[in-house]
Amino acid sequence: AQSVAQPEDQVNVAEGNPLTVKCTYSVSGNPYLFWYVQYPNRGLQFLLKYITGDNLVKGSYGFEAEFNKSQTSFHLKKPSALVSDSALYFCAVRDIMNYGGSQGNLIFGKGTKLSVKP
Amino acid sequence: KAGVTQTPRYLIKTRGQQVTLSCSPISGHRSVSWYQQTPGQGLQFLFEYFSETQRNKGNFPGRFSGRQFSNSRSEMNVSTLELGDSALYLCASRLGGGPQETQYFGPGTRLLVL
Repeated sequence: AQSVAQPEDQVNVAEGNPLTVKCTYSVSGNPYLFWYVQYPNRGLQFLLKYITGDNLVKGSYGFEAEFNKSQTSFHLKKPSALVSDSALYFCAVRDIMNYGGSQGNLIFGKGTKLSVKP
Repeated sequence: KAGVTQTPRYLIKTRGQQVTLSCSPISGHRSVSWYQQTPGQGLQFLFEYFSETQRNKGNFPGRFSGRQFSNSRSEMNVSTLELGDSALYLCASRLGGGPQETQYFGPGTRLLVL
């Protein structure tokens, strides 16, 4: 079965420091990977995705993610964290195994709470 | 372009009642998916509709149902509510043509079952 794992429930960083939120995946075939962010009492906002091509994907709000096929990882990164980045971050993979192609729903990790302190 | 909208934003019901949630996708998007978010189970897929047809369904009981209209708007219905149905229900839309497409989420409907 296809799955994603976010090994850290919480990540704490100081403002101005680089941040990394980890994600590993397990899929059969080519992975379609996504990162979303959720602020309190809000829906999910799309940050970036990996489909194919360049392993370094750039997204919204200065975030980027590095796809590593050998380590089956898709870690989210930002060179300099802001207090306003504090939120819940979700990694997701498109489940194309059971339903095929465009019919696949997103399978989400448990989420990582990012806390950026001034 | 307007984003995904969901109504109502908040809802309080009692056990045994039923509830209907509404979702309007981004203009031009033909696929609408529903997810349930709870602290214990995280984000779980409910179902997806495309061109008025359910094409994908998660592992939820038959009390959870949905439909999609010709204008791509979607409704989700939960009958005989249980306490465990208290959750944030998220709707997401995408064009509907391929696995690489981004799903855009609405703000959610927070349902509290008493």
